[in-house]
Formats: sequence, C-alpha cells, structure tokens
Amino acid sequence: GQQLNQSPQSMFIQEGEDVSMNCTSSSIFNTWLWYKQDPGEGPVLLIALYKAGELTSNGRLTAQFGITRKDSFLNISASIPSDVGIYFCAGQTSNFGNEKLTFGTGTRLTIIP
Amino acid sequence: KAGVTQTPRYLIKTRGQQVTLSCSPISGHRSVSWYQQTPGQGLQFLFEYFSETQRNKGNFPGRFSGRQFSNSRSEMNVSTLELGDSALYLCASSLGFFTAETQYFGPGTRLLVL
Repeated sequence: GQQLNQSPQSMFIQEGEDVSMNCTSSSIFNTWLWYKQDPGEGPVLLIALYKAGELTSNGRLTAQFGITRKDSFLNISASIPSDVGIYFCAGQTSNFGNEKLTFGTGTRLTIIP
Repeated sequence: KAGVTQTPRYLIKTRGQQVTLSCSPISGHRSVSWYQQTPGQGLQFLFEYFSETQRNKGNFPGRFSGRQFSNSRSEMNVSTLELGDSALYLCASSLGFFTAETQYFGPGTRLLVL
C-alpha cells in the first residue's frame, strides 16, 4: 500500500532539545495530520492541518502544511521525557467516500538521559 | 467516557487458521475503521464501516473482511492466516462519516501467526 516518506526514521536527543521531522508525498493531500503513538497504545492525534501554508501549534508542538500540499513538518520545542514515542504523519484526501488516511513510516523519538 | 475497546488484546494463531477481532467504538460513534500496523509496512488502512455498511476499503486481499452491527460494534475476520498477517490491528471510531479529527484509536489487538 501507499506510504508517505517520513524522516528521520529515528532520533536520539537530549532533554530540552528541539526536534524537527517531516513528511513528503508524491500525491496532494487536503488534510495533513500528526499523531503520536506510545507503546501498547493506538495513535493519538496531535495536530490537524487543513490549508496549504497553514502553521498550527499545540503547546510545544508546531506543524506546518506545505505550500505544495505534498509535505508537512512537525517541530517539538524543549523536549521532555514524555515526548518519547513514535510520531506519524498522515495525509487525507477529501473525496467523499474515499477519505482514508495514508500514514507515514514513523519517526521514533528517544531521549537520552 | 470509555474509549475504544478491542478484544482480545493478544492472540496467537497458526497458519491456515482464521481469526476474528472485535472493536467496540466510543458510545455514540457510528464510524469504525480498521488498520494493520507492521514494522515493515507501517499503518495501512483496511476498511471503514458506517451504519453497518462498508464505505471504504484499502488494498488488502479478500481474506480480510469485516462487518458492523447495529450497535456500531465491529468485527474483522482474517481467513487462512499467513505468517505475514502478524501485526497490530488497530480499530478507530469517529462520530460520523470518517473524519480524522474526531477519530480515536483503540489500543489494538496484537496477532502473532506461527
């Protein structure tokens, strides 16, 4: 099945550092979403973006909907231990009856003590 | 408010068997979607049900099927299991027609096929 290219695959950072990850696609999406998944849990929606160029924040998280509609970025500022987990981007078309999500490959964030 | 629940949480089967997984959506949610998550392929959309009707389907073989009951609970079935079907199967519910913003995932059922 189709996947979005997400990078980096993994990150090892120290507490307090900022984090950046991105997601690219060969297809245009009308909505970009970012999720976080903790071990043993399902993904939890962090941020949803609906418009090309849109910049949206949720606390220390900031995400942007790329102008080409084929990419998106997520930044986490001043990382803390609870930020550890796997982050997924997802793109969604808005074609009625075909609104399924296409997910990125994930970025695993680890905080080094 | 209770979240999405999935049963069982863990399952071990052997090749050739079939398996049925269950998902109970959040109360009032009428749309249920299923996903397969594997290390190699990531999260892949299986299908979506709304009001007992399949609205959308991913690119999986016919061995994967699902249904939704009048109380919005959903089941997915995999027949003739293959080793590659080992995965975390996630269910997500949303209020109306599939909208990612109102979609909540369950904890998943981890299936191991031996």
